[in-house]
Amino acid sequence: KNEVEQSPQNLTAQEGEFITINCSYSVGISALHWLQQHPGGGIVSLFMLSSGKKKHGRLIATINIQEKHSSLHITASHPRDSAVYICAVNRNTGNQFYFGTGTSLTVIP
Amino acid sequence: DAGITQSPRHKVTETGTPVTLRCHQTENHRYMYWYRQDPGHGLRLIHYSYGVKDTDKGEVSDGYSVSRSKTEDFLLTLESATSSQTSVYFCAISAGAGEQYFGPGTRLTVT
Repeated sequence: KNEVEQSPQNLTAQEGEFITINCSYSVGISALHWLQQHPGGGIVSLFMLSSGKKKHGRLIATINIQEKHSSLHITASHPRDSAVYICAVNRNTGNQFYFGTGTSLTVIP
Repeated sequence: DAGITQSPRHKVTETGTPVTLRCHQTENHRYMYWYRQDPGHGLRLIHYSYGVKDTDKGEVSDGYSVSRSKTEDFLLTLESATSSQTSVYFCAISAGAGEQYFGPGTRLTVT
């Protein structure tokens, strides 16, 4: 069983829709990360969270430490948001990262 | 962008041949990681380094070895490549318990 589970695995949305991607984890963590990977592209960090909520442009990330759950929201989605979104956690012991399998998002014009 | 490069970016090799992938950083970060990315599995840790000559195994280390003789370079070696090692390999760096910065990836095909 993965330490990090994401849902949904695949998501198709119309341009302008509000999108939510969920991440649940089963281990103690020091931080949770949301990453973005465009097709054939590299991986970039969107957010690092240890509590509460962060916002960057149309992207919002939240985390509930007690429930071991995080969400990534995209408001007013756009075709350029089409990518794979990956949830990752730093365990609170050691310096390793554990990754979800990713959510593939396609935004249709 | 964090200064991380990987070489080569693409490689096709035959089963049984040795392969070395290089990760180079200009950020002087302490931690360096090698991951492989396969459909349905996400990113999986192969090996990581927490300093020069200090390395440790990840969850999928069998068939791989690493070396770090300088802060800036982290080498991943497949001693005898197998078809199951066909994958996209990512190097990452971090300064500590914070963000990781990823290299552009190396696509390796073992025929």
